[in-house]
Parts: sequence; structure tokens; C-alpha cells
Amino acid sequence: DTGVSQDPRHKITKRGQNVTFRCDPISEHNRLYWYRQTLGQGPEFLTYFQNEAQLEKSRLLSDRFSAERPKGSFSTLEIQRTEQGDSAMYLCASSSGTGSFMGYTFGSGTRLTVV
Amino acid sequence: AQTVTQSQPEMSVQEAETVTLSCTYDTSESDYYLFWYKQPPSRQMILVIRQEAYKQQNATENRFSVNFQKAAKSFSLKISDSQLGDAAMYFCAYFPRGTYKYIFGTGTRLKVLA
Repeated sequence: DTGVSQDPRHKITKRGQNVTFRCDPISEHNRLYWYRQTLGQGPEFLTYFQNEAQLEKSRLLSDRFSAERPKGSFSTLEIQRTEQGDSAMYLCASSSGTGSFMGYTFGSGTRLTVV
Repeated sequence: AQTVTQSQPEMSVQEAETVTLSCTYDTSESDYYLFWYKQPPSRQMILVIRQEAYKQQNATENRFSVNFQKAAKSFSLKISDSQLGDAAMYFCAYFPRGTYKYIFGTGTRLKVLA
């Protein structure tokens, strides 16, 4: 297992278009998270999955955003009708739900630029 | 509200010297974790060091160590014998036990001078 994979690494899209990002977590991790990081800021929580169940969505995640994790494996994050304010790095991370919390493993992120 | 403050937007250190990055946090919780993450340019965030709040002993990982002052809500990171590869953004993160999400600071950009 090579860690958390995110695809694509970079995405440039025109305002109003829809985009979808994919995250493949570490296979034995049942918890998956999405964060957003804008320039000069630390990552901010967007949503959390335990297996296939989405257990929390931040109020940062407007109705244009949707995330899924079918079968509790990979996850997708879709943004509909993109806006310039959606430009950011979208980070995926995963962790084990057992034992003492050792921290997330992050992916390399998807950088979205909306033009 | 729980917040994490990193008051140093940027720090520089000479290669082989020691540097300390500051972090303070605000919480009413007593049981939590604190982390330092390193984010090199265009690369993934890497866990540097982890501290459990109920453990008084400061965590160490090779050249990295922390000064955890629970009463003062302070959690600084000391990097000894700095190397060029240490250059990155460093984020301090607070994680209440029993939850599932971090609260990150705004980061400190560390430059290592040859």
C-alpha cells in the first residue's frame, strides 16, 4: 500500500463547470476525511466518513458540494457550478478507527483553479 | 471556540543550527492530542510529532522535540541540527480525543539557509 492517493493532482476549470476529485485511502483505514486549504491558511475540515457512512459535513460544504464513499473504499468529492472562491487545495486523509489515535495520513492533494 | 495560533508566519535558520516554532491553542477540554505537521512545497503533509495532553513528558522524534506547557496552552516545536530538507510549512494541529477532526493553525514557513 503506497499511502493515500488523490487524483487529479491539478485541475483547472472554467467557472460554472462541475469537477470531481477522487481519493483512495490506505486500504485498512475505515475513516476518511476531506479538508480544504486556501493560500496562507491551514487546512479546514469539510467532511468525514466512517466506512461508507458520511457522519459529518462542515457548513463550509455548501449545497454545490457532495461527497461519497461507496462500499467504504475510495471517495469522490464533486463540486457543481464551480465559483472562483472554490479555488483551493483539496486534501484527503485517512486513519484507522482502532487503538490510540496516531494521526491522519494525508494525500498529496488536488489543487483546483477556477478561472 | 477552539483555536490554534501560530504567530510566526515565517522563520529562518542556518543549516545545522536550532530553531523553535511557536504554537498556542485555546480549549476548555482536558484530553486531547497535539500534532506538528510538515508540508513541503507541492507535497503531502507529513506527521512530524504527536503529543498526548495527559502525558507530561515532552515528545521527541530524532531531531524534533516539543515543549508542551499544558497550563499555558503552549506547544512549541524545536528542530535541532537543521537540514536543508527541513524547509517547509509547519502546521500545528489540535485534536480533541473522541472526535475526528483537527483544528489547524495558519502555519509557519521555515527557510533553511546553507
